[in-house]
Amino acid sequence: AQSVSQHNHHVILSEAASLELGCNYSYGGTVNLFWYVQYPGQHLQLLLKYFSGDPLVKGIKGFEAEFIKSKFSFNLRKPSVQWSDTAEYFCAVIPSLYGGATNKLIFGTGTLLAVQP
Amino acid sequence: GAVVSQHPSWVICKSGTSVKIECRSLDFQATTMFWYRQFPKQSLMLMATSNEGSKATYEQGVEKDKFLINHASLTLSTLTVTSAHPEDSSFYICSAERGVGTDTQYFGPGTRLTVL
Repeated sequence: AQSVSQHNHHVILSEAASLELGCNYSYGGTVNLFWYVQYPGQHLQLLLKYFSGDPLVKGIKGFEAEFIKSKFSFNLRKPSVQWSDTAEYFCAVIPSLYGGATNKLIFGTGTLLAVQP
Repeated sequence: GAVVSQHPSWVICKSGTSVKIECRSLDFQATTMFWYRQFPKQSLMLMATSNEGSKATYEQGVEKDKFLINHASLTLSTLTVTSAHPEDSSFYICSAERGVGTDTQYFGPGTRLTVL
C-alpha cells in the first residue's frame, strides 16, 4: 500500500546533538513534501515544505530537509538541537495522482523527539 | 497570520447524542478545509475534504451520514458527529488551506471528543 514511513518512533538526544529524522514515501510521480511539528499542548505547525527547485529546503528554527528523489526520501535535519525542540514531528506528503492533482495530506506516524538538557 | 481555531477544545457527551465541532480560519479565507482524526499514538488520518458551497468529499471508510460536514462560509466549517458512540471518541483536527491550490494547510488546535 502507498504510504509515508517514519522509521524512528521515539528519539532521545542531548542538547547540542545533531538530529536526523527519516521519512520515506511510496508514491510515484510528483509529490509535495512537508514536515510539521507539534509541541506539547499545541497544534501542528509547518516547519518546512518542498514543492520544487533546490532539493535542500530550509525551514524555521534552524531545521532543514533534503529531498532525494531516487530514494523517495525527505529527511529532516538540525545540526544542534535544543531542549525547546522537544516535540512530535510529522512528515507528510501530497501525492499527485495520474490525471490530476490532489491536495490530500498523507501523514507519517510521527516521531517523538525528547531533548535532554 | 494563518490562524485556525476550533471550538470546543474538548467535549464529553453521552452515547447517542450529536456533537458539533466548529473550525474557523481567523485571519484568512479558506475555500478548502480538511477534517482529520487522530487516535492515541497514531498519525492523523484524513476524514474528509470540505469545500465552501459544495458537498464534502469523504475518504474511503468514513461514513458521511455519521460525520456531517458543512462548509457554509469561507471562514467556517463544521463537523457534526451524529449519534455518537464510544468508538467515536478521538481527537478531531481541522485544517484550512490558505489560498486556492497552495497545498499548504494550517491546523487548528484540535477537539478532544469523549463519548460515554
